[in-house]
Amino acid sequence: GAGVSQSPSNKVTEKGKDVELRCDPISGHTALYWYRQRLGQGLEFLIYFQGNSAPDKSGLPSDRFSAERTGESVSTLTIQRTQQEDSAVYLCASSLARGTALPLHFGNGTRLTVT
Amino acid sequence: AQRVTQPEKLLSVFKGAPVELKCNYSYSGSPELFWYVQYSRQRLQLLLRHISRESIKGFTADLNKGETSFHLKKPFAQEEDSAMYYCALKRGSQGNLIFGKGTKLSVKP
Repeated sequence: GAGVSQSPSNKVTEKGKDVELRCDPISGHTALYWYRQRLGQGLEFLIYFQGNSAPDKSGLPSDRFSAERTGESVSTLTIQRTQQEDSAVYLCASSLARGTALPLHFGNGTRLTVT
Repeated sequence: AQRVTQPEKLLSVFKGAPVELKCNYSYSGSPELFWYVQYSRQRLQLLLRHISRESIKGFTADLNKGETSFHLKKPFAQEEDSAMYYCALKRGSQGNLIFGKGTKLSVKP
C-alpha cells in the first residue's frame, strides 16, 4: 500500500473487554513498531518486530498486552481485560530495516477509549 | 537509562521570529538522534536526522555531545511550521526509537 494502515481508526470498548488493533505496514518493511500515546504525553514504546520475531518487548506495560506478526506483514496488538488507563492512541510504524537511521513511517493510529 | 527530554510543552512565537525547540538526551553509547513532526490532521513523519546534517524546511539541528543536546532551530518561523515536534533517540543497535513528550509549536501571524 501507499503507507502504513491501521484499523480501526477509532475503538470504544467497555472496561474488561478484549480488543485487537491491526497494523498493515508498508510492503517490504521488515521492521515494525508499536507505540502508545496517552493524552498530553509523548510516544511510549511498546514492542518492536524484526520480521516475525520480537527482539524487544520491553515496553509492554503488563501481561494483558501482547502482539504478534505474521508473514512479515500484518501485526496485531491485543489488549485483554481493558482498563480505563489503556485509553490512548496506539501508533504503528514500519521501516525498511533495523539498526539503521532509516525513517519510521507511521500510521494514523487507533484511538482507543475504554469506558 | 536512556531518556529524551523536551522541556517545553508549548512554544509560541510570531511569524518571522527565530525558533529553537530544545531536546536533551541521556544515553551512554553513541547516539543517533532524530526530529519527527506531526502537522494538524497528518501522521507523524520524519523531519530530519543528525547523521544527515541536513536542513529541511529551513530547520537544522546540531548534535552537541558535550551538552547532550539536539536542539531544533529555524531562523525565521512560518505559520505553516505550527505542529507538534518530537525528538527521538535510537537506542542501541536494535533500531527502536524512544521519543520525548513533544513540543507544540504555535507560530502566530
